[in-house]
Amino acid sequence: DGGITQSPKYLFRKEGQNVTLSCEQNLNHDAMYWYRQDPGQGLRLIYYSQIVNDFQKGDIAEGYSVSREKKESFPLTVTSAQKNPTAFYLCASSNVATTNEQFFGPGTRLTVL
Amino acid sequence: GENVEQHPSTLSVQEGDSAVIKCTYSDSASNYFPWYKQELGKRPQLIIDIRSNVGEKKDQRIAVTLNKTAKHFSLHITETQPEDSAVYFCAASGKYGNKLVFGAGTILRVKS
Repeated sequence: DGGITQSPKYLFRKEGQNVTLSCEQNLNHDAMYWYRQDPGQGLRLIYYSQIVNDFQKGDIAEGYSVSREKKESFPLTVTSAQKNPTAFYLCASSNVATTNEQFFGPGTRLTVL
Repeated sequence: GENVEQHPSTLSVQEGDSAVIKCTYSDSASNYFPWYKQELGKRPQLIIDIRSNVGEKKDQRIAVTLNKTAKHFSLHITETQPEDSAVYFCAASGKYGNKLVFGAGTILRVKS
């Protein structure tokens, strides 16, 4: 399955709670990405990181935070400031030195109750 | 920044017919154009990609064409089969390499 995993597969959150989505890869990729997918829309970039201890905002970063303390891991926190967090979240990684191809994880479906 | 538009949003074809999905992009500096297939509830998977130094690329029943002057690229699927039914996304690399901008997707239905 490409060596990139996400957990949990399904996540339920009450309004006002922060939640953290896990993304791990064993592909030795330098770059990692978080996307949000809503019905009828493409993938929108939340945050990305091209190297450990560095990350940049994507197009819809408000209400989200990330960290990149290890090459293999890029967790995403959905904070209470994100007004409409219910969505399908996809993590991806790529080897920036050789190709632009991004490999995706299986996704986490977050539902706010 | 980069903007990618994708058409049509839905496409129904009869099994065995061809399907064509078109995308346009805005940033002339973009140089990498992948196509992803996503089945219901699954992760997107790369099916074909093309770089700006190539005008066409084929892989069995799938081909992609690129017109840099007009800033558009297209996915062609020949001899469609029911298992081709899925959502297809085009994307373009922005000015800074690996950051991809995606189109809104096309739902392809192949009727048997």
